[in-house]
Amino acid sequence: ELKVEQNPLFLSMQEGKNYTIYCNYSTTSDRLYWYRQDPGKSLESLFVLLSNGAVKQEGRLMASLDTKARLSTLHITAAVHDLSATYFCAVDIRGGSEKLVFGKGTKLTVNP
Amino acid sequence: DTAVSQTPKYLVTQMGNDKSIKCEQNLGHDTMYWYKQDSKKFLKIMFSYNNKELIINETVPNRFSPKSPDKAHLNLHINSLELGDSAVYFCASSLYGSGLAGGSDTQYFGPGTRLTVL
Repeated sequence: ELKVEQNPLFLSMQEGKNYTIYCNYSTTSDRLYWYRQDPGKSLESLFVLLSNGAVKQEGRLMASLDTKARLSTLHITAAVHDLSATYFCAVDIRGGSEKLVFGKGTKLTVNP
Repeated sequence: DTAVSQTPKYLVTQMGNDKSIKCEQNLGHDTMYWYKQDSKKFLKIMFSYNNKELIINETVPNRFSPKSPDKAHLNLHINSLELGDSAVYFCASSLYGSGLAGGSDTQYFGPGTRLTVL
């Protein structure tokens, strides 16, 4: 059974600082997704990572994928308050149906 | 233009009642999904339909019955509601969903339905 582990689960940081969220998964997968969820809101797609070494960047967020280590990272650069949200990674199960298995989420709070 | 919409947004009901949640997508996607997000924010897939055909049925009590009248709609009917059913239910859709996609197959989520069972 595919397991997806994120850490940390809670992250409180100061504006202007850098930090990384980690996402480990247990079996081979084709695709890894990062989503953002604001309190009481839906999930918003941030990145899709499809291959080993893939790197995607949008603003202060950068995601990378190492399929050999079964590890993805979401790096936050010079955090701002607007980045406060819960971030989920999700991994699909290789072959067959498109079934996403989500990590437990990382609740990020950026303090002024 | 809402891509994935759900109704109702909030649902408060008594134990033992039967209720339905509706979902519609206007993205032209082939596959739709139901997820449950519990109080700890953990998201778990319940069902998926590809072009009206049931593809994924996770270990969900048979009190939950999805119905897809066409590929743009996926409804969720819940019988004999229990306290533990209280959660936020998200509908999502993706273009392929059949494992045939060679590239990304991002799932787009609806706004969620917060179900509270008293």
